[in-house]
Amino acid sequence: AQKITQTQPGMFVQEKEAVTLDCTYDTSDQSYGLFWYKQPSSGEMIFLIYQGSYDEQNATEGRYSLNFQKARKSANLVISASQLGDSAMYFCAMRPRGQAGTALIFGKGTTLSVSS
Amino acid sequence: DGGITQSPKYLFRKEGQNVTLSCEQNLNHDAMYWYRQDPGQGLRLIYYSQIVNDFQKGDIAEGYSVSREKKESFPLTVTSAQKNPTAFYLCASSTILHGTAAHSYNEQFFGPGTRLTVL
Repeated sequence: AQKITQTQPGMFVQEKEAVTLDCTYDTSDQSYGLFWYKQPSSGEMIFLIYQGSYDEQNATEGRYSLNFQKARKSANLVISASQLGDSAMYFCAMRPRGQAGTALIFGKGTTLSVSS
Repeated sequence: DGGITQSPKYLFRKEGQNVTLSCEQNLNHDAMYWYRQDPGQGLRLIYYSQIVNDFQKGDIAEGYSVSREKKESFPLTVTSAQKNPTAFYLCASSTILHGTAAHSYNEQFFGPGTRLTVL
């Protein structure tokens, strides 16, 4: 069965430090896409970063990078230089079969708290 | 500005009532989705649609119904058959790519959500 696992219910980090949020996935598909979304307390879902299963390089978007280890089926999100505004819930999600227009499968999320 | 709107932001339902959550997008996206989020949990798929007048059940479709009469609109009805409807409901949309492009990045855009509470 297709599944996303996020094992860290909560993470705490100080401002300006880097933090890694873990995500492992289970799929038998060869083609798939991996997403990370941020959900502040307001509830909106903010897209952060995407990694395709055929992408050879790890994705990066500003302070966000994705540590993609295909053999281990992990797609950890790294946030560098944390800011207070990074405090939110973070979701890892997978689009199976590589087909756009297919619904995402979400993990249960990790709550990140950034302190000054 | 292009985007997805959901209304109302907050909705209260009495036992035995049907309620309808609105979702509209002006992004010209073919695919639309409804997800449910319970406190401290991830999103679970209720229904999705890839074309007008067609939709598919997701993992938790029981007690819900949808329609897709227009490309821009994908309303969700929470029926009295849904035993525990109190949750946060998120609507999303995306393009549909085909062929080799189907493996490309394709973001799902989300609306601001509707928080439904059963009284």
